[in-house]
Amino acid sequence: AQKITQTQPGMFVQEKEAVTLDCTYDTSDQSYGLFWYKQPSSGEMIFLIYQGSYDEQNATEGRYSLNFQKARKSANLVISASQLGDSAMYFCAMREARSGRRALTFGSGTRLQVQP
Amino acid sequence: NAGVTQTPKFRILKIGQSMTLQCTQDMNHNYMYWYRQDPGMGLKLIYYSVGAGITDKGEVPNGYNVSRSTTEDFPLRLELAAPSQTSVYFCASSYPGEEQFFGPGTRLTVL
Repeated sequence: AQKITQTQPGMFVQEKEAVTLDCTYDTSDQSYGLFWYKQPSSGEMIFLIYQGSYDEQNATEGRYSLNFQKARKSANLVISASQLGDSAMYFCAMREARSGRRALTFGSGTRLQVQP
Repeated sequence: NAGVTQTPKFRILKIGQSMTLQCTQDMNHNYMYWYRQDPGMGLKLIYYSVGAGITDKGEVPNGYNVSRSTTEDFPLRLELAAPSQTSVYFCASSYPGEEQFFGPGTRLTVL
């Protein structure tokens, strides 16, 4: 069974508008971490934001915020005031604490295109 | 700090050839990882290491080998390359419990 599900293969948003990228996850761990990475067309993986399962507040980093709904097992990324440079693939990922390897399990990604 | 560096950036192999993908980090991270990314997909874990001399398999280890003799270096060896190994390979490193830093990737084509 998929551990990270991103149901939106592609999204369009107008410049300066906000956009929400969906992510749901599956784990029986109580302790886990959720990450969002951006992959522009150049190919590198850029860390955006992190949410721990015990964090009571939703994480924010500049224009990025993570809408964490633990009971629904969702960790949606919200990008406010979209810019043309936000056009990229976005990956949601999870790290489970009981896994000693601390590796990330990735979703299949959402391609975001920001239109002028 | 250079962060995580990978060489080469691109490589074309013939079926049955072997090669080593190099990965070096200068952040003194204990944890290092190798992932592969197939077209249109997320990343999948090949191998990981929690410190020098300690390595273990991830989700998709078949056809690969790793070693970790130093904290800084974590090379990935492909033996007997197959077309199914055509992919982009990412090396990453981290401290335990913190975000992973990724290298720029190696684009490998096996023909």
